[in-house]
Amino acid sequence: ILNVEQSPQSLHVQEGDSTNFTCSFPSSNFYALHWYRWETAKSPEALFVMTLNGDEKKKGRISATLNTKEGYSYLYIKGSQPEDSATYLCALRIGAGGTSYGKLTFGQGTILTVHP
Amino acid sequence: DADVTQTPRNRITKTGKRIMLECSQTKGHDRMYWYRQDPGLGLRLIYYSFDVKDINKGEISDGYSVSRQAQAKFSLSLESAIPNQTALYFCATSDVNNQPQHFGDGTRLSIL
Repeated sequence: ILNVEQSPQSLHVQEGDSTNFTCSFPSSNFYALHWYRWETAKSPEALFVMTLNGDEKKKGRISATLNTKEGYSYLYIKGSQPEDSATYLCALRIGAGGTSYGKLTFGQGTILTVHP
Repeated sequence: DADVTQTPRNRITKTGKRIMLECSQTKGHDRMYWYRQDPGLGLRLIYYSFDVKDINKGEISDGYSVSRQAQAKFSLSLESAIPNQTALYFCATSDVNNQPQHFGDGTRLSIL
């Protein structure tokens, strides 16, 4: 079973603060790293799919970077707003040849609460 | 209408009962997945299917079975429910390769 770790487990910030959190994963046989945002009482929604070492993706105030050689991805939120409050999940997909081929292995998530 | 629809949305049942959770999709995706979510554990894969004739076990398949009735339908069954199967269950779909997964709204299942 692949080990995908997210830190911190939870985070409380004030409105307007910028914040970031980490997803760590085994670097061997990397294929893709997904980020999802999951609001309470809703379904997880995809933010980014990242495949290349050094990839940087941006969607509004949210951006993500990827380092496949050392096995980590950062998610950044600039100027947090209360509506950013959610659980942020990362998920790893490995390449062909492994028993987890084609599947996503999720981290446990980072719960972000943005206080007005 | 939602692209990925799960029924029921909520279910309370008793130990030993047989339960079926249904998932249907209008996205035309070949790949479908069933996950369960428990507090602090993220999403764990129960079963997945890459096409109608392909069914694979995930990391926590014991106590569950699935049926892929058509490209658009993927059902999860608990043959004899037990309390530790109380969880939030998600169905998801995806296209091939590096496309994100699309999730249903979830089924909250409580087994007494």
